[in-house]
Amino acid sequence: EVQLLESGGGLVQTGGSLRLSCAASGFTFSFYVMSWVRQAPGKGLEWVSGITGSGRGGTTHYADSVKGRFTISRDNSRDTLYLDMNSLRAEDTAVYYCAKDMDDAGDYLFHYWGQGTLVTVSS
Amino acid sequence: DIQMTQSPSTLSASVGDRVTITCRASQSISSYLAWYQQKPGKAPKLLIYKASTLNSGVPSRFSGSGSGTEFTLTISSLQPDDFATYYCQHYDGYPFGGGTKVEVK
Repeated sequence: EVQLLESGGGLVQTGGSLRLSCAASGFTFSFYVMSWVRQAPGKGLEWVSGITGSGRGGTTHYADSVKGRFTISRDNSRDTLYLDMNSLRAEDTAVYYCAKDMDDAGDYLFHYWGQGTLVTVSS
Repeated sequence: DIQMTQSPSTLSASVGDRVTITCRASQSISSYLAWYQQKPGKAPKLLIYKASTLNSGVPSRFSGSGSGTEFTLTISSLQPDDFATYYCQHYDGYPFGGGTKVEVK
């Protein structure tokens, strides 16, 4: 059974930093594209960042809204996905979901989702 | 950038109703269209991909159609478990539509 368990969310001040983690199990983690998708309170879904699997070199992609501030990475030996968030703004406040792609094609079709972790940025 | 527009934003319906949600792309996206269902406080769930392919375990009352710029999600007979918000996504370009909330009439 595929499981994705996010952690690391919390309250942080404007301009601060936070690291999110997503522990994966139930599938060959290194093979699949993995992403972070967020949802601001009462709003829709926004893809944040993705990273390809080992077969495609671990290439990273970012939404314009987070480029230069967020860094996605993965540790295939620990089956864990990370999101390092710096220079946080109020508009980054959201539930952050870890999502597994359906395959390694890199088209960001989200087959499985974690339960989410809430990040609140406040002054 | 391709924009995805869903309509309506809210839909009021009763159990047993046939429900149709539309998603329009600002330019052709072939069939790279997925539909997700999200219930309050829960993660989204993939329903349909490649515009019309039902994900494993999804009830057959859900169906998707369309290609190019116009797509529809149809629920043939709305069930109590189907009251939720539905999102389309152009998954080769990543953007989501704004969502359609299906609520009790």
